Parts: sequence; structure tokens; C-alpha cells
Amino acid sequence: AQSVTQLGSHVSVSEGALVLLRCNYSSSVPPYLFWYVQYPNQGLQLLLKYTSAATLVKGINGFEAEFKKSETSFHLTKPSAHMSDAAEYFCAVSENYGGATNKLIFGTGTLLAVQP
Amino acid sequence: GAVVSQHPSRVICKSGTSVKIECRSLDFQATTMFWYRQFPKQSLMLMATSNEGSKATYEQGVEKDKFLINHASLTLSTLTVTSAHPEDSSFYICSARTAGSRYNEQFFGPGTRLTVL
Repeated sequence: AQSVTQLGSHVSVSEGALVLLRCNYSSSVPPYLFWYVQYPNQGLQLLLKYTSAATLVKGINGFEAEFKKSETSFHLTKPSAHMSDAAEYFCAVSENYGGATNKLIFGTGTLLAVQP
Repeated sequence: GAVVSQHPSRVICKSGTSVKIECRSLDFQATTMFWYRQFPKQSLMLMATSNEGSKATYEQGVEKDKFLINHASLTLSTLTVTSAHPEDSSFYICSARTAGSRYNEQFFGPGTRLTVL
């Protein structure tokens, strides 16, 4: 069964500092992986996705993530945090096969706080 | 592109009443829509998956008679919370996926905050 583990429910960084949000997955087949961001009282916005092409994926707002099969990880990074990055971040996994009922399995989320 | 809307964004109702939430894909055809529930400071819990023109598939533990889902067209799915009770108060989020999606990429609506008094 697929699962996603996000280490650290709360992460706090200073403005301008490196952002690192951790995500580990378990999947029996090569997965598709996603990072979503959620601002308060809003839906989820896709930051980036891994689809078996390049292992380093660049997304919106300066975020990127690297797929490491050996570590079963897909950590999200941003070189320099901005105050507007403060939000909840969710990692999600989907099995890599076609099908009308494929589901996304979400991690428990990491709340990122950015200190001035 | 790939915009999903939800209506209403916020609803307050009395216990025992029914509430309908609409989810629309504005600029694409969504063959599959998903309904999630999110409690404060928690992750999204998938409630059901609906495919256009067929019955929804509910996740284990979700009462299908309580949470009625209709996906009558390629751009509209509705979730009706029947005989709502205070424990149904939550943030409900829908998402939509296109027919040609290879990667199960879902586009999310802005959510509906339901408060049952």
C-alpha cells in the first residue's frame, strides 16, 4: 500500500534562509509524486510534480524537489524563504499506472512559518 | 487553465438540514472528481471518487446515504450533506482530473467551510 510520511509537522525558518520540507514515500511501483501548498482557508495549489522524467523537478515560486529512489524521498527545497511562503505544504503520491480511480495519498502536512 | 470553483465558499446551517456544495471545472472537462474532507490542522481525507455518469465510489467509513454525490456532467459534481449535524462541520474540498491525465494530476477547488449549528 502506498503511504507518504512528512517529517516535521511544523518548520520555522528565517526570511532568506533555506527551506527544506521532507517527504518520504512508500510504493510498490514507481510512483508519481506531488507537492501542494495550501494557504489558510483555501484549496490546494500544485507546486510541482515528479512523473518519472528528470529527478530534479522545478516548480512554481522558486521551489524544487529531488526524487531519490534509493532514499524513497522527495524533499521540497527553496534556496531563500520569503514571507509569502508561509503556508501548509502537502506531499502526495499516486501509483504509476492508468486508471479512472487512481487516488492521491496525502501526507499529514508541514506548516511552514517564516520569521522576519 | 485548469481552474476549479466551489460554491458556496462558506455555509452555516441548522442541524437536520441538507446542504449542497457544487464543484465546477471552469476550463476543462473533468471525467473524474474527488471529494475530500479536512479537519483543522489535519490532512485531506478522501471521501469519494466520482466519474461522470456513474455512481460515486466511497471510501471505507464514509456514509453514502449521508454524503450524496452526483456527477451529472463533465464540468459539475455536487456533494449533498443530508441531515447535517454539528460533527459534519468541516472544510470540504473537491478536485478534478481530466480524461487524458497521465499522472493523476488533480486540480483543487478553493474549498467550502461548512458549519452546522
